[in-house]
Amino acid sequence: QKEVEQDPGPLSVPEGAIVSLNCTYSNSAFQYFMWYRQYSRKGPELLMYTYSSGNKEDGRFTAQVDKSSKYISLFIRDSQPSDSATYLCAMKAGTASKLTFGTGTRLQVTL
Amino acid sequence: EAGVAQSPRYKIIEKRQSVAFWCNPISGHATLYWYQQILGQGPKLLIQFQNNGVVDDSQLPKDRFSAERLKGVDSTLKIQPAKLEDSAVYLCASSEITYEQYFGPGTRLTVT
Repeated sequence: QKEVEQDPGPLSVPEGAIVSLNCTYSNSAFQYFMWYRQYSRKGPELLMYTYSSGNKEDGRFTAQVDKSSKYISLFIRDSQPSDSATYLCAMKAGTASKLTFGTGTRLQVTL
Repeated sequence: EAGVAQSPRYKIIEKRQSVAFWCNPISGHATLYWYQQILGQGPKLLIQFQNNGVVDDSQLPKDRFSAERLKGVDSTLKIQPAKLEDSAVYLCASSEITYEQYFGPGTRLTVT
């Protein structure tokens, strides 16, 4: 069993839709959770970071963590074609510096 | 602020040949990472440097891969000899804070 599971998609939604991206994990030591966005032929870039259960909002993006269920989500409101990319969840244990990434979900926002 | 620089951007080699990738991190970032990203997968950490010392190389295939970070700045990753399964994008990242890693554009390696 992989430490981090993420549906690879692709996920296709119309412009303006609310997008929900999810990851599950098995390692209870993971305490820090991140979402990275990766455009085609580019390196990943950090979108959101959180370490507590609950919601964290940043503009059109909301990161949600449920540590009891080992489940994290990223919601994108009013999705735009420029949001079309691969979204990677990443996690790390408390004192560790190593990030463990999910496989990424490819999102396509259509006009 | 200049980002993480990597070269070359693309490389095609035959199996059993050797190849080297170069990375220049963001100025002042003490931590440097090399990741391997196979198509359809997330990045997998190969090696992490703190200044010029190795912090984690547990997933580096040491029989064929080597990396160094001279003077705690630039880094090179070498594969010798390359195998077909080494075809991937090799990403370099640097950070001041662990969770906020800044990635370069990557080197796309094709081994034929």
